This record gives sequence, structure tokens and C-alpha cells, in this order.
Amino acid sequence: GQQLNQSPQSMFIQEGEDVSMNCTSSSIFNTWLWYKQEPGEGPVLLIALYKAGELTSNGRLTAQFGITRKDSFLNISASIPSDVGIYFCAGQPSLNNNDMRFGAGTRLTVKP
Amino acid sequence: DAGITQSPRHKVTETGTPVTLRCHQTENHRYMYWYRQDPGHGLRLIHYSYGVKDTDKGEVSDGYSVSRSKTEDFLLTLESATSSQTSVYFCAIRSSSNTEAFFGQGTRLTVV
Repeated sequence: GQQLNQSPQSMFIQEGEDVSMNCTSSSIFNTWLWYKQEPGEGPVLLIALYKAGELTSNGRLTAQFGITRKDSFLNISASIPSDVGIYFCAGQPSLNNNDMRFGAGTRLTVKP
Repeated sequence: DAGITQSPRHKVTETGTPVTLRCHQTENHRYMYWYRQDPGHGLRLIHYSYGVKDTDKGEVSDGYSVSRSKTEDFLLTLESATSSQTSVYFCAIRSSSNTEAFFGQGTRLTVV
């Protein structure tokens, strides 16, 4: 269906390490988005992807829209303590542009 | 900050009572969404609206109803609250020309 499968569920890394997380779906998405949520706050958009194959960077963050339009990944390079939070992928299914679905999130912990 | 306000921010209610959560926006955006966030499930879509009086169900709509009588307000109602509806509820808004969704601060609802 239109569910997004996000992995890993959680990551514990050392400061300075690179991070990679991904999202897959059995159906096609028109748009892939990556959000970050900090405690007590709503999610905030990090990167938006609009075309298959698109690779976009935002500082130390890089995300790609998969060629099949059924997956996306987010990389964080040289992690720092303030990268801690929950990262969500989200997307608009091709069958319904009004809809917006989220993955279950990846909880990132960065040890100084 | 995007002009989106959720009220109340916290609520404790008894099983079987009706509850209404309000989302108010000052951005005149077309789309409004209600999500619930639970550990291990990420953000799950309850209902969304694509215009005044135009709403549709999300993936976890049972036990919830919504109304949008004007552009700026999107109400989520639990007709008869159950303990399984204890959650953090987020409202989001999105314009028709942009993929980015802006989130409110969330409402923590506890049903006892």
C-alpha cells in the first residue's frame, strides 16, 4: 500500500561518524521529504526531493530520490551532538497528491 | 515560524467523553492534516482536508471525525475517547504550490 518502511529504527553513533538511513515503499511516490523532530517539537523539513534520481544537499545532509520512485535515503556526514533527534521520511503517493505519509522514524543518538 | 497553532497543548480526559482538538492557521494554506504520533509508529495520518468542507480519511481514521468550515480552522473530534487514543496529535498545513508541510507544536492527549 502507501506505507513507508524506514530503517534503521535507531542508531547510536560517535561524534564525527557518518550516518545513513533509508525509506522504501511498495508504491510510487511523487515527492520524498526528510524531516527532523526534536523533543517537544513538531517535525521540521530538512530536504525535499521532486524528481527520480535527484540528489540534493543541505549542509552536511544529502538525500536522494530513488530511480524507481519507491525509495529514498538520507546521509549525514561528520555527525555532531546537535544532530540528535528523530528523522522521518515522508512522501506524497502518486495515486493521491493530497495525501502525505510518514515513515516510523529513525532515532539518532550521537555520543560526544 | 509558520502561523499554525494547536489547542489545547495538553489535555487529560476520561474514557467515553467527547474531545475536540483545534488547529488554527494564519497562512491561508489549502491543505491541513491531522496526525497522531506513537512510539514505534512515527506519524500516522488520521484525516486531512484539501479545502473548506473537503476532507478525506487517512490510515487511522476510525474513532475520529474532522470538520473544516473555514480555511483557517481544522477540528479533530474524538466522539467517545478511548485509552488507545492516548497520543500526541500534530496538525500540519501545506500550500497547494509547495510540498513542504509545516507542523504545529502538538497536543498531548491522555485518556484515563
